[in-house]
Amino acid sequence: AQSVTQLGSHVSVSEGALVLLRCNYSSSVPPYLFWYVQYPNQGLQLLLKYTSAATLVKGINGFEAEFKKSETSFHLTKPSAHMSDAAEYFCAVRGNNAGNMLTFGGGTRLMVKP
Amino acid sequence: SAVISQKPSRDICQRGTSLTIQCQVDSQVTMMFWYRQQPGQSLTLIATANQGSEATYESGFVIDKFPISRPNLTFSTLTVSNMSPEDSSIYLCSVAQGGVYGYTFGSGTRLTVV
Repeated sequence: AQSVTQLGSHVSVSEGALVLLRCNYSSSVPPYLFWYVQYPNQGLQLLLKYTSAATLVKGINGFEAEFKKSETSFHLTKPSAHMSDAAEYFCAVRGNNAGNMLTFGGGTRLMVKP
Repeated sequence: SAVISQKPSRDICQRGTSLTIQCQVDSQVTMMFWYRQQPGQSLTLIATANQGSEATYESGFVIDKFPISRPNLTFSTLTVSNMSPEDSSIYLCSVAQGGVYGYTFGSGTRLTVV
């Protein structure tokens, strides 16, 4: 079975500062990993996904994530935070099994200070 | 990617009643998923709904409480039955597409039970 841990339920950064949201996974098979963003009162929007191709994945809105197998991590970064980045971020893993469902981490609420 | 129309977007219901949530997809998809997001929490998978077969429920969720229909490859419903305040959550449907590497989510149904 696979699982995801997001370190830090709340992260606060200043506008223009680096954003780093942490995600560690556990999977018995090579994982497929995803980052989603949820703005207030909205559904989930895919930021980026890792599917065993390039380990550095670039997504929308300037976000990127690096898959590190040795660290079982898939941290999300953005060089410069914008006020509009304030939202809830979810890391998810899909194991290579028949279920095909996603397992989500607990989420990280990103706050951006002016 | 697929576009999902989920209805209603929100509702306030009396305890003991039932609410049916609909998800309409603009393309045919094999796998649909229903998730629950309790207040301030992450997403938890309720069930997987495949066309032509019974839904597969996750531990802690039962068909009598959350009956699901999947009459065709573009539509599914989730009913929350005999509601109590503990059922107050956001319910989201999701589809897997693009070789199951991509998952798209509906905008969610925000349910409040009073």
